[in-house]
Amino acid sequence: EDQVTQSPEALRLQEGESSSLNCSYTVSGLRGLFWYRQDPGKGPEFLFTLYSAGEEKEKERLKATLTKKESFLHITAPKPEDSATYLCAVGNTNAGKSTFGDGTTLTVKP
Amino acid sequence: EPEVTQTPSHQVTQMGQEVILRCVPISNHLYFYWYRQILGQKVEFLVSFYNNEISEKSEIFDDQFSVERPDGSNFTLKIRSTKLEDSAMYFCASSLSGHTNEKLFFGSGTQLSVL
Repeated sequence: EDQVTQSPEALRLQEGESSSLNCSYTVSGLRGLFWYRQDPGKGPEFLFTLYSAGEEKEKERLKATLTKKESFLHITAPKPEDSATYLCAVGNTNAGKSTFGDGTTLTVKP
Repeated sequence: EPEVTQTPSHQVTQMGQEVILRCVPISNHLYFYWYRQILGQKVEFLVSFYNNEISEKSEIFDDQFSVERPDGSNFTLKIRSTKLEDSAMYFCASSLSGHTNEKLFFGSGTQLSVL
């Protein structure tokens, strides 16, 4: 069974204080690793898809990386508006089903 | 940017009642999904739907649940006889072609409260 574990559960940063979120996964046949952002009371919003070990993608202050066992979401010089829950998910061999982790709730204080 | 819309945003019902949650996926998308998130827990897959039939479903999606695409735009989730444990946020999602490496577009959700 696919498993996704995210750490830490919660992360509090000062504005400008860079850090990383971790996503460890076990999946039979990785078809894609996804990062989503979820604001309170909203649905997940797509950030990145990573397909193979060594791949990296960037968007503004966020950078996602992938190894064979885990992915990191690096946040550089975060701002308060980056506060949200960041979800990691893996796509398995069947169409459409994604298995999500519990998420990391990031709070950035000004 | 096109978006997935869900109605209602909140639904309160009595245990044992039937509820229908409605979704309008992005117009050119071919795959549709329902996920749910119980308060404080992870987002869980319920069902995927393609070409007017269920593509895959989870163990959660038992005989009390059904999905339908009644017309060219709507996608619905019906819970026949609601239970207290069905209380959750239900998210509809769609994707262009359904490839497992393809991103999902989620709606804002329907918060279902079963009393």
